Amino acid sequence: NAGVTQTPKFQVLKTGQSMTLQCAQDMNHEYMSWYRQDPGMGLRLIHYSVGAGITDQGEVPNGYNVSRSTTEDFPLRLLSAAPSQTSVYFCASQWGTGSTGELFFGEGSRLTVL
Amino acid sequence: QQQVKQSPQSLIVQKGGISIINCAYENTAFDYFPWYQQFPGKGPALLIAIRPDVSEKKEGRFTISFNKSAKQFSLHIMDSQPGDSATYFCAASKARRDDMRFGAGTRLTVKP
Repeated sequence: NAGVTQTPKFQVLKTGQSMTLQCAQDMNHEYMSWYRQDPGMGLRLIHYSVGAGITDQGEVPNGYNVSRSTTEDFPLRLLSAAPSQTSVYFCASQWGTGSTGELFFGEGSRLTVL
Repeated sequence: QQQVKQSPQSLIVQKGGISIINCAYENTAFDYFPWYQQFPGKGPALLIAIRPDVSEKKEGRFTISFNKSAKQFSLHIMDSQPGDSATYFCAASKARRDDMRFGAGTRLTVKP
């Protein structure tokens, strides 16, 4: 079982460049989300989706775009990267959209913006 | 502001000892309190979770203690092992998954 797969694992960008972090899950989960992890800040929700065609903003959405055209895929786009977006990004999925239940995380994508 | 405050930032325990990590929350509407464990280079994984209708939940060597009146909950790891060395995150959520808020994390090191 692949679970949640993120690519790339590492990426270095220059300020102003754009890129897309890919996330795919093979568990047929309705709910998918993107978090960023920064030292001393824990995990903060960027965007989430409760199903194909439906997305919404989380706690720290500025500078990021998402789309959900299929149940399996949930890419995160940085349109104009800034040094403040240097972080480790995690994609997560969950069966159902309720408040309980297990979040399944990918292994993360480490992004450095110079 | 951080809605879930976690302490300590780091913790060193001897093998066989008890590891205790504490969290406090502010929003009384939170009704689900999970703990996630993260090993280096990996994503977090659910360890154990509790709802506020019980004061304690135990799974093997891991126990959550919950104090609703004090708005605090803690993770106790009994007989800590070097393999428990990881970063632990507490979290709290209400109503919907997108309401979940994480603590800042505790890096646990268990020395052999």
